[in-house]
Amino acid sequence: AQKVTQAQTEISVVEKEDVTLDCVYETRDTTYYLFWYKQPPSGELVFLIRRNSFDEQNEISGRYSWNFQKSTSSFNFTITASQVVDSAVYFCALSEAKLGNTDKLIFGTGTRLQVFP
Amino acid sequence: KAGVTQTPRYLIKTRGQQVTLSCSPISGHRSVSWYQQTPGQGLQFLFEYFSETQRNKGNFPGRFSGRQFSNSRSEMNVSTLELGDSALYLCASSSGRQELFFGSGTQLSVL
Repeated sequence: AQKVTQAQTEISVVEKEDVTLDCVYETRDTTYYLFWYKQPPSGELVFLIRRNSFDEQNEISGRYSWNFQKSTSSFNFTITASQVVDSAVYFCALSEAKLGNTDKLIFGTGTRLQVFP
Repeated sequence: KAGVTQTPRYLIKTRGQQVTLSCSPISGHRSVSWYQQTPGQGLQFLFEYFSETQRNKGNFPGRFSGRQFSNSRSEMNVSTLELGDSALYLCASSSGRQELFFGSGTQLSVL
């Protein structure tokens, strides 16, 4: 069975601090996709990144970076120099890479990030 | 390009009633998925439609149903509403490139 665990329920930081959101997943599939989404108070889930299981390269996009480690089944997300606008709930998710199943996401419980000025 | 549009934004119903929620995907997207978000269960997959056919289904009772029209717009229906159906219902559309774009959701309250 597939499962995504985000052990950190809530994190509070002060602006300009770096923060890492943890994500651990379980799956028996050999190929799969991993995602991060951001949910601001408006409710809409905003896509941040998709990572294919056979691509373990870390990725950086501006202040955001992702560390994918297949050996530990982790896909962690770091925000560098956090800003108040980063305050939101962040979800990690997993899906099969099989055609027709890629839109069926298994979500973690989310981590609420609060960035204080 | 317009995003995923869900209507209505808020809905209040009473137990036993039925409700229909609407979702208009991004133009050109043929896949529409529905998710339920509650404080207790988190985000859970309901079902996915592609080219008017249900392609995937989550573990929800038969009271939850959906359909997709030829223009890719989708509706989901919940019959015989229960208090536990109170949730944020999110719709997502996809072009098939493993990137889901979500709408702002419909907040359903069952009294």
